[in-house]
Amino acid sequence: AQSVTQLDSQVPVFEEAPVELRCNYSSSVSVYLFWYVQYPNQGLQLLLKYLSGSTLVKGINGFEAEFNKSQTSFHLRKPSVHISDTAEYFCAVDSNSGYALNFGKGTSLLVTP
Amino acid sequence: GAGVSQSPRYKVAKRGQDVALRCDPISGHVSLFWYQQALGQGPEFLTYFQNEAQLDKSGLPSDRFFAERPEGSVSTLKIQRTQQEDSAVYLCASSLGLAGINEQFFGPGTRLTVL
Repeated sequence: AQSVTQLDSQVPVFEEAPVELRCNYSSSVSVYLFWYVQYPNQGLQLLLKYLSGSTLVKGINGFEAEFNKSQTSFHLRKPSVHISDTAEYFCAVDSNSGYALNFGKGTSLLVTP
Repeated sequence: GAGVSQSPRYKVAKRGQDVALRCDPISGHVSLFWYQQALGQGPEFLTYFQNEAQLDKSGLPSDRFFAERPEGSVSTLKIQRTQQEDSAVYLCASSLGLAGINEQFFGPGTRLTVL
């Protein structure tokens, strides 16, 4: 089954510093990869997705991710974070079903002044 | 342009009670999903509807869980004889077409606490 592993459960970072949230996937076939953000008491919001084509994917709120097939990774990056980026971030891959998503356990990003 | 809505937002049930959780997807969305999110975990797939047809219920943890979408819009997730391990946030998502390529839009979730 296709799955993702988020290597960091918590990432503390200072405001305006760069950040990288790591995600590795396991799959022997082509995949669709996603990053979602979840703010407290809210549903998940799609940040970006990789379906095919360019390996560098740009999303909302200044986030981007790079699909690396050789390393089976899809790390999320932002060059300068804001306090408002404090949230839970989930990496996800399409399951073998082709419709349901398999999520990682999430990374809690905490941005402090 | 309302998003996916869920009700109630919070539900406290005594062990053994039945509960019903409602999801109103975005109008016109064909696909509807239910996910269960335990504390500190990512969402886990429960079931999938395409219009009114329940095409996949492989993620439902037991036969106490039942979902329906009779008219292809609103969906209800019912849990019978709730147990403490059912405590979680239940997320509903919808997408315009077949998901995978199409974005899934998530509701705010219903937080179920079973005492």
